Amino acid sequence: QITLKESGPTLVKPTQTLTLTCTFSGFSLSTSGVGVGWIRQPPGKALEWLALIYWDDDKRYSPSLKSRLTITKDTSKNQVVLTMTNMDPVDTATYYCAHTHYYDSSGFGYWGQGTLVTVSS
Amino acid sequence: QSVLTQPPSASGTPGQRVTISCSGSSSNIGSNYVYWYQQLPGTAPKLLIYRNNQRPSGVPDRFSGSKSGTSASLAISGLRSEDEADYYCAAWDDSLSGPLFGGGTKLTVL
Repeated sequence: QITLKESGPTLVKPTQTLTLTCTFSGFSLSTSGVGVGWIRQPPGKALEWLALIYWDDDKRYSPSLKSRLTITKDTSKNQVVLTMTNMDPVDTATYYCAHTHYYDSSGFGYWGQGTLVTVSS
Repeated sequence: QSVLTQPPSASGTPGQRVTISCSGSSSNIGSNYVYWYQQLPGTAPKLLIYRNNQRPSGVPDRFSGSKSGTSASLAISGLRSEDEADYYCAAWDDSLSGPLFGGGTKLTVL
């Protein structure tokens, strides 16, 4: 059974750095083809892909946010960490992590419950 | 800029068949698989269709997907009240080098 869960602060101040952790079970990020992605959704708005990391440490970032994002994995802890610098109120959103496969990388078959991050002073 | 365009809303009555379109370009739908997600209010998205027209285990066959050229469609037959949700298409975009989501379609069951 694959599960994922996001954790991190619910409130961050503008200009601060956000660090989110995705802790998962039921699969290993050392297995060939496996990937974990981060997707966010501002309140009432559409889904937006942020970043992807694969079993071989291949990393992909949304070009519009690339300069602010870093994605890393800790295979031994079954965790993926996303950091986003210079947070702004427009970054207020529910942040999801999700499981995918390299050859189906737009197919996120398992999602975490999401964590709402509010950016406000 | 890469975009997947969906109608903002769709509606139907119970038992009807509704379709939701997703229009893209050669860099996404035209050259990659299309995926569809259902998002019920207050919940995480759920993968509904993968690789254009494949259903994950547990997804009713009332849901079907198709793709032609740079466009795709999700069809829901025998509409039920529990189908009321937001639906998103997605496809890998070669220019983005990552997944691209559509703007979402809010389906209302009248």
